[in-house]
Amino acid sequence: SQQGEEDPQALSIQEGENATMNCSYKTSINNLQWYRQNSGRGLVHLILIRSNEREKHSGRLRVTLDTSKKSSSLLITASRAADTASYFCATDAWTGANNLFFGTGTRLTVIP
Amino acid sequence: DVKVTQSSRYLVKRTGEKVFLECVQDMDHENMFWYRQDPGLGLRLIYFSYDVKMKEKGDIPEGYSVSREKKERFSLILESASTNQTSMYLCASSPFNAGYTFGSGTRLTVV
Repeated sequence: SQQGEEDPQALSIQEGENATMNCSYKTSINNLQWYRQNSGRGLVHLILIRSNEREKHSGRLRVTLDTSKKSSSLLITASRAADTASYFCATDAWTGANNLFFGTGTRLTVIP
Repeated sequence: DVKVTQSSRYLVKRTGEKVFLECVQDMDHENMFWYRQDPGLGLRLIYFSYDVKMKEKGDIPEGYSVSREKKERFSLILESASTNQTSMYLCASSPFNAGYTFGSGTRLTVV
């Protein structure tokens, strides 16, 4: 399966701390994406990093990609209670098709 | 604000019923997708479409069919609903090689 795997499955931190989530995948990719899901809702796209990029920033988010290790990490700095959600990584198929394969997610809880 | 709209947030159907889940996007995206989400299994792709009247099977197409007669609308059909199809169904759309925009999801319960 091309499905990514997030680690840890659950993470609990205090407000103001940084949160790091990791993703590993198995096959070559064109890009890797991170999504957020609030409980019982649809997913929201956070950031896309292409296979020729190593790092990308968006506000308090920092994503790294290491294609040699087939892994990525999502760092949320200065976390807020509103960051409490599940976070998913998703990889596409090297064949160029646009369908994404999602992991099972990391459940982040930020304690006020 | 760009949108993907799913017709129902919650749906309860009986075993054996034919069920239609509707999804409409207003972004002129070529690609549309149907996923189901179950605890511990993540999101699994059911069907996707790259163009009008075009469809491709995902990882778990059995028991489902789809229809895309217009670019903005992608319908998921459960031909004969079964209890193991109780799930959260998520529709998404995207331009090629870009992030997805998801709908809010339909929580379907089959009794």
